[in-house]
Amino acid sequence: NAGVTQTPKFQVLKTGQSMTLQCAQDMNHNSMYWYRQDPGMGLRLIYYSASEGTTDKGEVPNGYNVSRLNKREFSLRLESAAPSQTSVYFCASSERQPRREFVNSPLHFGNGTRLTVT
Amino acid sequence: AQSVTQLDSHVSVSEGTPVLLRCNYSSSYSPSLFWYVQHPNKGLQLLLKYTSAATLVKGINGFEAEFKKSETSFHLTKPSAHMSDAAEYFCVTAHYGGSQGNLIFGKGTKLSVKP
Repeated sequence: NAGVTQTPKFQVLKTGQSMTLQCAQDMNHNSMYWYRQDPGMGLRLIYYSASEGTTDKGEVPNGYNVSRLNKREFSLRLESAAPSQTSVYFCASSERQPRREFVNSPLHFGNGTRLTVT
Repeated sequence: AQSVTQLDSHVSVSEGTPVLLRCNYSSSYSPSLFWYVQHPNKGLQLLLKYTSAATLVKGINGFEAEFKKSETSFHLTKPSAHMSDAAEYFCVTAHYGGSQGNLIFGKGTKLSVKP
């Protein structure tokens, strides 16, 4: 009963380096999301995938790319890391079908990846 | 546009005393509202949700929230705090604009519980 699994848990990068954050869910959910959490800012949506094969920008997509590899996996890539990308990154999934109500499709979150860019 | 405002960034209570975490919402139509909790070094977990079926919503771990349209509020309460309630709490609403819509998170309220 793993739910949403994120790897790695921690990462330190130098400015300009690239990396991919991995996320997998085993609940057969349609929708997957990447958020970043910064102190005093709540969670902000980076990208989401409403269903397999589709991805859309969220509130703060600049500097990131995503891939919905299959129904289970949704990865987030930083091509050239910057100190402003120091944050905690959360992946989430939900059953939600496109254009359906959120109220019956709560988000299930992973435990996060703590990224520091120096 | 839909939004939520959490009125306190930090609330401190003693164990056994009531908890009140305040949230006001802004919405041009009947909102979807949620409370999520985040324990240290963990992801967020759904506490409760407002479905418009009832204004008083019961969640997990003894938490409740009351939807008050006249006050545009959705405050989270618990009669008696437990040490394990120490966490960060997020009030969340849904925005249905664009092709899909998404969740909008408040900035969070950190709850401390003193023994």
